[in-house]
Amino acid sequence: GQSLEQPSEVTAVEGAIVQINCTYQTSGFYGLSWYQQHDGGAPTFLSYNALDGLEETGRFSSFLSRSDSYGYLLLQELQMKDSASYFCAVSAIKAAGNKLTFGGGTRVLVKP
Amino acid sequence: GAVVSQHPSWVICKSGTSVKIECRSLDFQATTMFWYRQFPKQSLMLMATSNEGSKATYEQGVEKDKFLINHASLTLSTLTVTSAHPEDSSFYICSARGVVRGGYEQYFGPGTRLTVT
Repeated sequence: GQSLEQPSEVTAVEGAIVQINCTYQTSGFYGLSWYQQHDGGAPTFLSYNALDGLEETGRFSSFLSRSDSYGYLLLQELQMKDSASYFCAVSAIKAAGNKLTFGGGTRVLVKP
Repeated sequence: GAVVSQHPSWVICKSGTSVKIECRSLDFQATTMFWYRQFPKQSLMLMATSNEGSKATYEQGVEKDKFLINHASLTLSTLTVTSAHPEDSSFYICSARGVVRGGYEQYFGPGTRLTVT
């Protein structure tokens, strides 16, 4: 089976930097994705890593180490609108399709 | 990015009735669609995976006779919650995967909030 671990909650102030770690256990690993979800909304795609290294997309960056089964999402220059839940998700090749398995989510609270 | 829609966005039904939720990929062909369920303050749990024209593959613990999934075309999948009970109240989210901009990409619908009274 697959399992992912990420912290349940993080609090930070505007302008700060937050790193959300994600460790995973899976067979047939294909890639690690990150999604943002505001309360009442659907997940929106943030970033994807299939290879080791850092992917930068504006204020958000994501890192993957396949050998360590570990990745992180880095949120820089935090803004109030970044208050949301952030999920890491593993893509694993399965016969039925490249389905995503989600971690429990990290609730990020940004304070003024 | 590509667009996935869900209808209805929210629904209230009485216990014992059935509810159908539609998921459409609006500007790409979805060869695979996934249905997730999310309870408040919890993660998304995959219920089933469906490929166009094939029977859905259900995750362990998900009753296939209760949650009927149909993926009859490359742009439409439906989830029918049969004989709904209050414990089925949840946020149901579909995700569609297909070739977008030359490669496989996956997009989520806006979700359907189901309340069973």
